[in-house]
Amino acid sequence: DVVLTQTPVSLSVTLGDQASISCRSSQSLEYSDGYTYLEWYLQKPGQSPQLLIYEVSNRFSGVPDRFIGSGSGTDFTLKISRVEPEDLGVYYCFQATHDPWTFGGGTKLELK
Amino acid sequence: EVQLVESGGGLVQPGRSMKLSCAASGFTFNNYDMAWVCQAPKKGLEWVATISYDGSSTYYRDSVKGRFTISRDNAKSTLYLQMDSLRSEDTATYYCARRRARDYFDYWGQGVMVTVSS
Repeated sequence: DVVLTQTPVSLSVTLGDQASISCRSSQSLEYSDGYTYLEWYLQKPGQSPQLLIYEVSNRFSGVPDRFIGSGSGTDFTLKISRVEPEDLGVYYCFQATHDPWTFGGGTKLELK
Repeated sequence: EVQLVESGGGLVQPGRSMKLSCAASGFTFNNYDMAWVCQAPKKGLEWVATISYDGSSTYYRDSVKGRFTISRDNAKSTLYLQMDSLRSEDTATYYCARRRARDYFDYWGQGVMVTVSS
């Protein structure tokens, strides 16, 4: 199975700071069709997960442009510029390139 | 407005069965793949199973293969998860999610808790 390793496990930030989360895959996530099915989700406290980024770098509808996804192959990053209060929660990367699909372990973004 | 509402959770003894339902509304249900994702208490997310838009293809994580069955009734716009031979490690909140092909989960239900305990 593909293992997605997220670092750091937790991240303490001051509002307005930039935050960066890494997601490293045990295998390349480029699919045979040329696309890379790597997504990012945010789970706010007490809520269901919500989609932020799909196919590495595409922001989902309504997601602010301070969320930026990048990477290729096995190394991916989610950057959040100017962290706002509503950005706090647990971030997960997810891959749908290889069966079985897998989530990363999560990164908790909290206030310093 | 897209809505996914799970039901059917609760307390069940190890070895017994439980069937979850997810009622969908606000979109053309038979145009979308659907999935179940679970989250054990205080733990991360785990993909459980996916079913294609027409029910012809199903996919499972290894730990539930042979015990769980994902199905759908497109006439009723409802997704199901039949869980047999339940184990304590199946204790989790189960989320129903809409899957846009291989691309992403764009809508999630509020989740339903399943507790497997004697």
